[in-house]
Amino acid sequence: EVQLVESGGGFVQPGGSLRLSCAASGFTFSSYGLSWVRQAPGKGLEWVSTISPSSVSTSYADSVRGRFTISRDNSKNTLYLQMNSLSAEDTAVYYCAKGERWPLKYSYMDVWGKGTTVTVPS
Amino acid sequence: QSVLTQPPSASGTPGQRVIISCSGSSSNIGSNIVNWYQQLPGTAPKLLIYRNNQRPSGVPDRFSGSKSGTSASLAISGLQSEDEADYYCAAWDDSLNGHVVFGGGTKLTVL
Repeated sequence: EVQLVESGGGFVQPGGSLRLSCAASGFTFSSYGLSWVRQAPGKGLEWVSTISPSSVSTSYADSVRGRFTISRDNSKNTLYLQMNSLSAEDTAVYYCAKGERWPLKYSYMDVWGKGTTVTVPS
Repeated sequence: QSVLTQPPSASGTPGQRVIISCSGSSSNIGSNIVNWYQQLPGTAPKLLIYRNNQRPSGVPDRFSGSKSGTSASLAISGLQSEDEADYYCAAWDDSLNGHVVFGGGTKLTVL
C-alpha cells in the first residue's frame, strides 16, 4: 500500500524553526516528485513547495521562498521541509503529497499523507 | 485570494445533480490539465478527478469533470449524504517559473 506519513509538527515561537518529515512506503520513492501543501485553520489548500525525483529541481511559493527549504533523502525514502523564521501566518496543517509522474505540470498529486500540524502563536 | 475561483458553497438534496465551477486564466486552466480533490470533514484531501475528466479507481461514476477554455467544472449526480465535503480544483500555472495553484474550495452541503 502506498503511504505517506508526516511528522515533526508542533508549537514553535515566532521566529523559530521546525523541520517536517514525510516517510514514504509502498512505491519507488526515488522515481517521483513530491510536494508540501498546507492548510491554515478554516482555510483552503495552499501549495508550498515541490522537489523533483533526483532533487535537481525545487520550487517554492512566494510566501515561503527564502525561509523554507525542501529536500529529500532517497536512501531513507523521506521528504523534508526545513522551516525557518516562522510566523503566525505559517500556522497550518502541512500535507506531503506524491506526484503521479514528473514533471508535475503534466500530472497531479495522487497520494496524500494525513498531515502534521504546525502552530505559531501571534 | 485564490488564483482559481470557486463558489464558496453549494448545496443539493439527495439524488440531485450539483455542479461546482472553477474559473482560471490562460496561464493555468487555459493551458494545463485540471484536477479535483475531495476533502471530507477532518481528513486529508483525496484525488477525485485527474486530467480534467478521469476518475481514479474507486471513485463512483457519479462524479465527472469537464474543462472548456479557462474554466472547469465538477458535476456530482445522484447526490448522497456522504458527498458532503470540501472540493478543490487545482492546475499548474505557467507564470513565475511554474507552480501549482488551487481554487479556494467549495463546501458542499447535502440538505
